[in-house]
Amino acid sequence: EAQVTQNPRYLITVTGKKLTVTCSQNMNHEYMSWYRQDPGLGLRQIYYSMNVEVTDKGDVPEGYKVSRKEKRNFPLILESPSPNQTSLYFCASSQNVAETQYFGPGTRLLVL
Amino acid sequence: AQSVTQLDSQVPVFEEAPVELRCNYSSSVSVYLFWYVQYPNQGLQLLLKYLSGSTLVKGINGFEAEFNKSQTSFHLRKPSVHISDTAEYFCAVRWGYGNKLVFGAGTILRVKS
Repeated sequence: EAQVTQNPRYLITVTGKKLTVTCSQNMNHEYMSWYRQDPGLGLRQIYYSMNVEVTDKGDVPEGYKVSRKEKRNFPLILESPSPNQTSLYFCASSQNVAETQYFGPGTRLLVL
Repeated sequence: AQSVTQLDSQVPVFEEAPVELRCNYSSSVSVYLFWYVQYPNQGLQLLLKYLSGSTLVKGINGFEAEFNKSQTSFHLRKPSVHISDTAEYFCAVRWGYGNKLVFGAGTILRVKS
């Protein structure tokens, strides 16, 4: 089954404790992206990747890092999480930026 | 700056009534337009998209949208809604050869019996 998976689905952590949210797709897509969803703000893009080893900032990259060492994986790293990063995070992939994006189920993060 | 505006944060409607969810974007240069739906506690899935060609686009579940270049709008419509259409709907735009997809703030559609 074609899908985008994210882990963990739920995470509670404390300020400053590094964490990684994994994202994996099995559709051989080139384009992958991370979004955060906050009430009243819709989805805002954090980082995107056009292909392996090619990443770029979205609209809200501060406090986040990403890497794309393999085509299928696109982890999101929070080196020192802060409470304002409490949010619902979605990973998405598509064959290219103009095509339909397929979204993962989301990761709900609470930073205390 | 490029922006996407969804004019209504919530739209209540009775079952079997028609509905229109409005979306405007900031620039009329070449655009690619999308509507996504998010059911409660789920990820987003594509309803329909406009890349080129006919300005009236039909999607899944009986939804359609019309691209209006002069008004920079891409409103979503359904002639008769069902309870199961209750969800949050997001308009998204990619400009020209840009690499980013910009989403609107979302419209919550509440269908009442």
